[in-house]
Amino acid sequence: SQTIHQWPATLVQPVGSPLSLECTVEGTSNPNLYWYRQAAGRGLQLLFYSVGIGQISSEVPQNLSASRPQDRQFILSSKKLLLSDSGFYLCAWTPRGTEAFFGQGTRLTVV
Amino acid sequence: AQSVTQLGSHVSVSEGALVLLRCNYSSSVPPYLFWYVQYPNQGLQLLLKYTTGATLVKGINGFEAEFKKSETSFHLTKPSAHMSDAAEYFCAVSTGFQKLVFGTGTRLLVSP
Repeated sequence: SQTIHQWPATLVQPVGSPLSLECTVEGTSNPNLYWYRQAAGRGLQLLFYSVGIGQISSEVPQNLSASRPQDRQFILSSKKLLLSDSGFYLCAWTPRGTEAFFGQGTRLTVV
Repeated sequence: AQSVTQLGSHVSVSEGALVLLRCNYSSSVPPYLFWYVQYPNQGLQLLLKYTTGATLVKGINGFEAEFKKSETSFHLTKPSAHMSDAAEYFCAVSTGFQKLVFGTGTRLLVSP
């Protein structure tokens, strides 16, 4: 069966520090991969998606970037965090079908 | 462009009462529609989905939803609420590449 791993679960980082969140999927190949962010009191917003290695599409301009160095690995990064980057970050994957499957999320607090 | 509106950021019911969470969508193409549930500090779990075919969709934990094209709605219901149903619920519509556009969520509160 397929599983998705996302880490760390929580993270407290100072303003201006770098960020790296990692997501990996097991038990499948060539998935579509996604990063969503959930800000306090708001719904989920799609940040990036990827349909293959090295193929990244950005949905909203922001202080973050994403990379897909391997088929089942998706990384969310920032060179310098802002206070507004705080939120709950969720990685998701879809088979070549319909529904998305989500990781357990990373709670990022920028202080 | 697709969008989703969830009416009511909070819904309170008593244990055993009917649960009704409202979702309206806007889509220029036949939509794929989803309901997800989120427990505190956890990821999202799929409750049910509508793609094509039968408009009444049954999901996990006794939930169901009905796709009504004429009303552009996909409301979520459960006949009898349990305490364990207390969570946040998100309606979503799928766009190209299975990207999801979410509503702002409805927090369901269940009282004894």
